[in-house]
Amino acid sequence: GDSVTQMEGPVTLSEEAFLTINCTYTATGYPSLFWYVQYPGEGLQLLLKATKADDKGSNKGFEATYRKETTSFHLEKGSVQVSDSAVYFCALSDRNDMRFGAGTRLTVKP
Amino acid sequence: DAGITQSPRHKVTETGTPVTLRCHQTENHRYMYWYRQDPGHGLRLIHYSYGVKDTDKGEVSDGYSVSRSKTEDFLLTLESATSSQTSVYFCASATSSNPTDTQYFGPGTRLTVL
Repeated sequence: GDSVTQMEGPVTLSEEAFLTINCTYTATGYPSLFWYVQYPGEGLQLLLKATKADDKGSNKGFEATYRKETTSFHLEKGSVQVSDSAVYFCALSDRNDMRFGAGTRLTVKP
Repeated sequence: DAGITQSPRHKVTETGTPVTLRCHQTENHRYMYWYRQDPGHGLRLIHYSYGVKDTDKGEVSDGYSVSRSKTEDFLLTLESATSSQTSVYFCASATSSNPTDTQYFGPGTRLTVL
């Protein structure tokens, strides 16, 4: 079945460092791809999404490009802030089947 | 953001007791979902609903049942809780099953089964 594999971390960066969290997927159809973020004690919030190949999702300085040829949807941010500390989940959706990666915990230190 | 609430937010119970978790949404979304979150597994789908009284199983449905008598409410029941059901449970809702649609999540319920 469909699945998502993401870098598990934890990842610790200094403020203003460059962030990459890798995400690859396997799917038989044409899924949409998502990044969700979970702040401590809260539910998941949509960070960005892409619904077809070569689409780029972006929000709050984060970006990810839907790469069908490499089945990837890596999350990047050029300069992280302490407030970006959270758990990040990559996910794919194909009809009623949303599959999540295991999550990557990011800690940004001042 | 969609208005989704879950109750209770925290619960401790004993093995063998029944437990019901409630999800309430105010967005008139047709689709609702229950997930569990465990370390190393991300979120896994337990059950989902595609309308009032219409439900189906997800990836990890054993030991769980659901009911949806109104559009806004989706209940998850553990008939006889076991320690393996200790987890954080999230409810989500969406307007449709279209893969491009976003699912909106509630704040979660932390359940501990002793």
